Amino acid sequence: EAQVTQNPRYLITVTGKKLTVTCSQNMNHEYMSWYRQDPGLGLRQIYYSMNVEVTDKGDVPEGYKVSRKEKRNFPLILESPSPNQTSLYFCASSLIFNSYEQYFGPGTRLTVT
Amino acid sequence: SQQGEEDPQALSIQEGENATMNCSYKTSINNLQWYRQNSGRGLVHLILIRSNEREKHSGRLRVTLDTSKKSSSLLITASRAADTASYFCATVGMDSSYKLIFGSGTRLLVRP
Repeated sequence: EAQVTQNPRYLITVTGKKLTVTCSQNMNHEYMSWYRQDPGLGLRQIYYSMNVEVTDKGDVPEGYKVSRKEKRNFPLILESPSPNQTSLYFCASSLIFNSYEQYFGPGTRLTVT
Repeated sequence: SQQGEEDPQALSIQEGENATMNCSYKTSINNLQWYRQNSGRGLVHLILIRSNEREKHSGRLRVTLDTSKKSSSLLITASRAADTASYFCATVGMDSSYKLIFGSGTRLLVRP
């Protein structure tokens, strides 16, 4: 089944404790992206990747890192999480960027205390 | 930065009625997409309309695009309780950035 998977789905952590949210797609998509969703603010893009080893900042990249060493995986790293990073995170992928829809993962609900 | 602004923010209708949601955006676009999100879950793509298209249909969905007014509308005909969800428009700009920018969404409630 074609899908985007994220792990973990739920995470409660403390300020400053490094964490990684994994994202994997099995559709051989070139483009992958991370978003965060906050009430009243909609979805905002954190980082995106056009292909392996090609990443770039979205609108809210501060406090996050990403890597794209393999085509299928695009982990999101929070080196030192803070409470303002409490949010619902979505990974998405598409075949290429323009003209194709994005497939979204199920989301990761992160709480930083 | 938010490109799309949606109107209304919330909409409540009776099953069987039509639901119309509007999206306005600010800059020139390559295409505009509509997504649905059931509460707290991942987004599902509904329809993509390119800047040179004016109208597109998919089942009970009808999307229009007016690039002169920088606006789009999503019409859901003969709504069902299962259509209850949040609906988002998202735009791909004509600039060189590879970003999909989402609107704030419309929460649709379809009452049985």
